Amino acid sequence: AQTVTQSQPEMSVQEAETVTLSCTYDTSESDYYLFWYKQPPSRQMILVIRQEAYKQQNATENRFSVNFQKAAKSFSLKISDSQLGDAAMYFCAYRWEDDKIIFGKGTRLHILP
Amino acid sequence: DAGVIQSPRHEVTEMGQEVTLRCKPISGHNSLFWYRQTMMRGLELLIYFNNNVPIDDSGMPEDRFSAKMPNASFSTLKIQPSEPRDSAVYFCASSFYREVGGYTFGSGTRLTVV
Repeated sequence: AQTVTQSQPEMSVQEAETVTLSCTYDTSESDYYLFWYKQPPSRQMILVIRQEAYKQQNATENRFSVNFQKAAKSFSLKISDSQLGDAAMYFCAYRWEDDKIIFGKGTRLHILP
Repeated sequence: DAGVIQSPRHEVTEMGQEVTLRCKPISGHNSLFWYRQTMMRGLELLIYFNNNVPIDDSGMPEDRFSAKMPNASFSTLKIQPSEPRDSAVYFCASSFYREVGGYTFGSGTRLTVV
């Protein structure tokens, strides 16, 4: 069965610094998608970034980038120049061909002014 | 597009009462998902529809839970009778089938059963 593990329940980072959130997953599939979702206090789930497993190049969206290591089944999120608005729960998620997404338990990110 | 619309945003009910949560997916999306979020269990997939047909309901916790999608623009999740342990945030999400971009989520319904 596919699983997604986020080993850091909480993290803190100073404003303007860089932080990396970790995620590992387990699958026997070769074709799948990985996502990072952000959930601010408003509880809205917001897609931050996605990665197709067949692409070797790491995805980047402005200050957000991923380090995708397929062989190691690792998918970390790097946030550069952290801003107060980045404070939220971050969920790593996995989607495979049957269209379902499973989520990790989340990492709560605090931004220190 | 107004996005995925869920109602109500908050629901407080007494144990034993019937609760109905509603969802309007994004127009044109043909996959719809119901998730439940709790502190202990995180985000759990309850049921998944494709083209209005339930594809996988293995996440529905028990027979007290039921979901319907009578047409492409409306889905309901019903709990009857409700119990305090059903208290959670319930999310609806929609997408095109196997869309690369992931799901679009609604704002969720916070259910409190007292």
